[in-house]
Amino acid sequence: AQKITQTQPGMFVQEKEAVTLDCTYDTSDQSYGLFWYKQPSSGEMIFLIYQGSYDEQNATEGRYSLNFQKARKSANLVISASQLGDSAMYFCAMREGMDSSYKLIFGSGTRLLVRP
Amino acid sequence: DTGVSQDPRHKITKRGQNVTFRCDPISEHNRLYWYRQTLGQGPEFLTYFQNEAQLEKSRLLSDRFSAERPKGSFSTLEIQRTEQGDSAMYLCASSFHDGQGILSPLHFGNGTRLTVT
Repeated sequence: AQKITQTQPGMFVQEKEAVTLDCTYDTSDQSYGLFWYKQPSSGEMIFLIYQGSYDEQNATEGRYSLNFQKARKSANLVISASQLGDSAMYFCAMREGMDSSYKLIFGSGTRLLVRP
Repeated sequence: DTGVSQDPRHKITKRGQNVTFRCDPISEHNRLYWYRQTLGQGPEFLTYFQNEAQLEKSRLLSDRFSAERPKGSFSTLEIQRTEQGDSAMYLCASSFHDGQGILSPLHFGNGTRLTVT
């Protein structure tokens, strides 16, 4: 079974609008962490935001926020005020258990295209 | 530039040849990770090091793959007898772990794209 599911292979958004990228996860661990990364065409994975399973508040980092719904096992990324430079692949990832490493499980990604 | 650097950026090789990739992590980072990313997929964990010790290897890392970090600084990933299925982007990443569970963010390099013909 897929541990991380990103059901949107591609998304379009108009510049300056908000967009939500979906991510659902599957784990039996009580302790886990959820990450979002951006991968531009250059190939580098850029860390965007992190949510711990015990964090009660949704994580926010500038224009990025994570809509964490634990009961539904979803961790959607919201990008507000989209910019042309946001066009990239976006990956949701999970770290399971109390593992203090970056042995991450990634989803298959969503390609976001921001239209001018 | 003090980011993670990988060399080469691209490698084309014929099936059956051996290839070696190099990764230079951020200098103060004691942990180094290798991931593999095939076309249209997210990265898959291969292995990681703390200093020179290889702490974990994925089952994806067959016996044709070997990774080293001899002095706890740069790392090499070697693939012997390459197969077409090895064609992928190989990503290196590094972080700092303080020994008490605190991790710095994970920083990735730009990757080495391998094409096996």
